[in-house]
Amino acid sequence: DAKTTQPPSMDCAEGRAANLPCNHSTISGNEYVYWYRQIHSQGPQYIIHGLKNNETNEMASLIITEDRKSSTLILPHATLRDTAVYYCIVRMDSSYKLIFGSGTRLLVRP
Amino acid sequence: ETGVTQTPRHLVMGMTNKKSLKCEQHLGHNAMYWYKQSAKKPLELMFVYSLEERVENNSVPSRFSPECPNSSHLFLHLHTLQPEDSALYLCASSQGRTPIGGTEAFFGQGTRLTVV
Repeated sequence: DAKTTQPPSMDCAEGRAANLPCNHSTISGNEYVYWYRQIHSQGPQYIIHGLKNNETNEMASLIITEDRKSSTLILPHATLRDTAVYYCIVRMDSSYKLIFGSGTRLLVRP
Repeated sequence: ETGVTQTPRHLVMGMTNKKSLKCEQHLGHNAMYWYKQSAKKPLELMFVYSLEERVENNSVPSRFSPECPNSSHLFLHLHTLQPEDSALYLCASSQGRTPIGGTEAFFGQGTRLTVV
């Protein structure tokens, strides 16, 4: 079973920041937080991951709370092409398993 | 283009047919995965291969038979499927278990399977 909870849907205006929350209150010390997204009928695409510290790459930023029980994915300037289902996943560093939940359907409005 | 190629992209098959899905990766990865995505359901992990050895089999019915002849190729052999097996079948690859810092999985575009 997925160990994360995400809102089923969100929307934001084009050009604004999209902040997608994720709760993972049962996360253990050796589990990473991963974010993927899936644009309609395509394979999921990796976005970013982190363990404790905040992370940033060319796609997004990941903010992990100090107690690691929740995190937020930030798309700083959302575009229409960012409309997708966003999945937050916790994964043990020694595990092959990448278990997907229901995700958040993000709609970016013009 | 993710470096993971799946063929065919679309497949329609009868319940008595035998068909195979193919996945190929050119990323030098040593782990490969099959996922199933039914309509309005989360992705379900089916099989995981590491170094051509099956390390995960999530209670998948025997009418689905995976094969990993080498680290670059993965097949899913299908026989006597049911209409409820109609779904998007996704292949992914990664560099084994996550090393320090983690590693991401790259997904193919999927095969849209319809069983009639």
